[in-house]
Amino acid sequence: ETGVTQTPRHLVMGMTNKKSLKCEQHLGHNAMYWYKQSAKKPLELMFVYNFKEQTENNSVPSRFSPECPNSSHLFLHLHTLQPEDSALYLCASSHNRGNGANVLTFGAGSRLTVL
Amino acid sequence: GIQVEQSPPDLILQEGANSTLRCNFSDSVNNLQWFHQNPWGQLINLFYIPSGTKQNGRLSATTVATERYSLLYISSSQTTDSGVYFCAVERGGANSKLTFGKGITLSVRP
Repeated sequence: ETGVTQTPRHLVMGMTNKKSLKCEQHLGHNAMYWYKQSAKKPLELMFVYNFKEQTENNSVPSRFSPECPNSSHLFLHLHTLQPEDSALYLCASSHNRGNGANVLTFGAGSRLTVL
Repeated sequence: GIQVEQSPPDLILQEGANSTLRCNFSDSVNNLQWFHQNPWGQLINLFYIPSGTKQNGRLSATTVATERYSLLYISSSQTTDSGVYFCAVERGGANSKLTFGKGITLSVRP
C-alpha cells in the first residue's frame, strides 16, 4: 500500500457505457495525476491537478473527463470509449513544491478493457 | 522536450547475479526517479536521486548530473526483482512534468 488507492482495479465496459475511475491519496499531497499505460508504450501523462485546479491536459480526447473535488480525490469519468482506450490507468500524487521536483507516488492502477 | 533513454531494453538474470541498469537524459534535471513496476502493474518509487548516490538494501543508484546519466545497481538479484524498471526525469520550472523512459524489463530466473 503506497498511500494512493485506486478503484476499481479491473473494469470491463462496452463502448456505450459510462463509468468512472476513482483515486484517493492519504499522503497530504497537493498535486494529483492521471497517466495512461498502453502495451509496449511509455507512460503517457493525461491530466495534472494542483490544489484542485487542472494545470495540464495533454491533448486528451473529451471522452475522458477528469474531476478533482478536493486535493485528496481524483476521478476519471469515461464515456463512449473505443477499444484502443484499453490500458492501465495510473493515478499518482505529489507534494508540488513549485520548483519542478515533484516526487510522485503511484497507485496500483485500474486496468480497463473496452469491448 | 527532454529525452530519456534506458538500456538495455531487456535483461535476463540468474538469481543471485548482479546487474546495472542505465538511464541517459538529454538536459539538466532537478528531479530523477527510479521506479519498479511489478507484474501486477504497481509502480513503486525506488529512489529520488537528481544527483549523488543512495543505497537501499540490495539496490543502489548513482546519478552523475553533469554527464546526464543515472545507474541503478541490483545486487544478489531475486525473482521478486522481476518487472519493469523506469527512469523518469523532470527539468524544473513552471509547468514542468515528469518524463518517463520506455523502461527496462528484467526477468530473474530461479
